[in-house]
Amino acid sequence: NAGVTQTPKFQVLKTGQSMTLQCAQDMNHEYMSWYRQDPGMGLRLIHYSVGAGITDQGEVPNGYNVSRSTTEDFPLRLLSAAPSQTSVYFCASSYNTEAFFGQGTRLTVV
Amino acid sequence: GNSVTQMEGPVTLSEEAFLTINCTYTATGYPSLFWYVQYPGEGLQLLLKATKADDKGSNKGFEATYRKETTSFHLEKGSVQVSDSAVYFCALWGYSTLTFGKGTMLLVSP
Repeated sequence: NAGVTQTPKFQVLKTGQSMTLQCAQDMNHEYMSWYRQDPGMGLRLIHYSVGAGITDQGEVPNGYNVSRSTTEDFPLRLLSAAPSQTSVYFCASSYNTEAFFGQGTRLTVV
Repeated sequence: GNSVTQMEGPVTLSEEAFLTINCTYTATGYPSLFWYVQYPGEGLQLLLKATKADDKGSNKGFEATYRKETTSFHLEKGSVQVSDSAVYFCALWGYSTLTFGKGTMLLVSP
């Protein structure tokens, strides 16, 4: 099993560009989440999903969109990148309160 | 809402020293509690968990006890190793997601 796979691992964007961070899991978990990690801030929840077709906002949702058309995939879209979105992004899938994390995507917006 | 507070780091110790990282939480009900560890350049891994009051989670020599009366879940290890150098996150499960503390960096020197 691959677990949780995030792509790409690294990305540099120019301000105003859009992109999609991919997240896929092969564990058939219903719960999936996106977090961003910034120095001194821990992990903050961006969006989450409790199943296909159901998404909700977390603590810091502005500037990000998500959708969940299948159980396996939970992409995160940046509509118009801003330097404040420079961060490390982690996707997680969860079963029975235990979360499994991807390796992260390091995004730099210049 | 839910929140987690953990001691700020970095915590600097010599090998074989005793480790305590404090964690307290605010939540409704009795959430499941977790410690996650993040090694440099990697995603988060579950270290241990406890699901109800007075439960003790343990793994790799680390322990934490769910204290309902003090809303705490302090992480301890009797003898740290250089390989334990990492960032440690306390977290709780609630509203279908994890809420994290800001993380504590542990640096262990030979």
